[in-house]
Amino acid sequence: RKEVEQDPGPFNVPEGATVAFNCTYSNSASQSFFWYRQDCRKEPKLLMSVYSSGNEDGRFTAQLNRASQYISLLIRDSKLSDSATYLCVVNSMNTGFQKLVFGTGTRLLVSP
Amino acid sequence: NAGVTQTPKFRVLKTGQSMTLLCAQDMNHEYMYWYRQDPGMGLRLIHYSVGEGTTAKGEVPDGYNVSRLKKQNFLLGLESAAPSQTSVYFCASSYTERSQHFGDGTRLSIL
Repeated sequence: RKEVEQDPGPFNVPEGATVAFNCTYSNSASQSFFWYRQDCRKEPKLLMSVYSSGNEDGRFTAQLNRASQYISLLIRDSKLSDSATYLCVVNSMNTGFQKLVFGTGTRLLVSP
Repeated sequence: NAGVTQTPKFRVLKTGQSMTLLCAQDMNHEYMYWYRQDPGMGLRLIHYSVGEGTTAKGEVPDGYNVSRLKKQNFLLGLESAAPSQTSVYFCASSYTERSQHFGDGTRLSIL
């Protein structure tokens, strides 16, 4: 089983739609959670951290459910520029070092 | 602001050749990382460094070596390139173990 699992998509939505992605993680000891965004043939960029109480950044809302070990990302009022792959990322302890484990990503396509 | 710079951007090698990928960061970050990204696999950590003069193995270190002689530079070496090492390689750096900043990648093809 992969340490971080995501639905690869693609999710095809019209402009203005609301879309949600989920991600599950297997390591119950994970303490840090993130969503990264990766445009086609570009590097991943941090979109937002995910906090236990949930957090919002403009049109983006992230939620964490520790009991069920899943993380979600909600995008409201989708824009064409939101088209990208969204990577779910969690930390994992490795011989005293907290490495980041990346999901394979969920692809979002926003159409006019 | 340069951030994290990777060179080269593209390279084609023949099986058995060796090469070095260079990563440079100007943010005075302690932590640096090398990842490879393959379709359907996500980013996988090859090697990392927690400070100048230190290196450690990630989850897929075989066939690669690294060096961190200067804080700002992290070099990834392929000793004898194999077709299985065809990938996109990303370098990243961070102030702590969180929130990594990535370079724009090196596309490497091994024939």
